[in-house]
Amino acid sequence: GESVGLHLPTLSVQEGDNSIINCAYSNSASDYFIWYKQESGKGPQFIIDIRSNMDKRQGQRVTVLLNKTVKHLSLQIAATQPGDSAVYFCAEISGTALIFGKGTTLSVSS
Amino acid sequence: SQTIHQWPATLVQPVGSPLSLECTVEGTSNPNLYWYRQAAGRGLQLLFYSVGIGQISSEVPQNLSASRPQDRQFILSSKKLLLSDSGFYLCAWSDSYYNEQFFGPGTRLTVL
Repeated sequence: GESVGLHLPTLSVQEGDNSIINCAYSNSASDYFIWYKQESGKGPQFIIDIRSNMDKRQGQRVTVLLNKTVKHLSLQIAATQPGDSAVYFCAEISGTALIFGKGTTLSVSS
Repeated sequence: SQTIHQWPATLVQPVGSPLSLECTVEGTSNPNLYWYRQAAGRGLQLLFYSVGIGQISSEVPQNLSASRPQDRQFILSSKKLLLSDSGFYLCAWSDSYYNEQFFGPGTRLTVL
C-alpha cells in the first residue's frame, strides 16, 4: 500500500495568502522526497525536491520543509496565485520507484 | 533538452478490445522509464518500470503488460481491456532511481 499520505484532500486560500500543504510518510529509510504539481488533464510537474540530509530547501516562491523526527514533509507557497490552483502530490523514493500520496487539491480564489 | 511524448492523448475503447499506448523520450539515453495509472481523484499508481531495453518490472499484477523495444520507447499493452482499466495513464522518465521523474502529457483512456 501507499506509504505517503497527505493530511488534507483540499485546501482553499485567497490570492496573495501563503499556502501550506502537508504530507506524512511512514518509511523512515526514505532519503529523497519530491513535490509535484498536477493541473487538470496534464501530467505531474516537478516543483521541488529535498534529500534527507537537509531540513529545508527553497525555490522560487516555494519552500519544502522536512522533519525526519516526525516523518513530516510540507510545501509552502508564498503569495499564492490563481495559477497555483492544482493538485499537489508528495512522493518519496522507496526501493526503486517513487511512491506517491493521494494529493491535495489547492484552490485559489481572487 | 529532454522531451517525453505520449500518444494518443485520449482513447475510447470497448471492453475486450486490445490496447497499445506509446511513450517516447528524446534528448537522453538509457533512461529509466515508468508507466503509472491515475484513477479519477486519486494518486498515481506505478504499473511498470524499465531500466533498459527488454527489462521490465511489474509492480501490480493485472491484465496489462509493458515492453521496451528500443532504448527510448516504452509501450503499454493489453490483450483484452476491462472496465476497470479506465484512467489516466502517465509515462515518466528519470536518469536514475534517485532523481526526479519527468512526466509525459498522459493518455486519458475510457473503456466502455
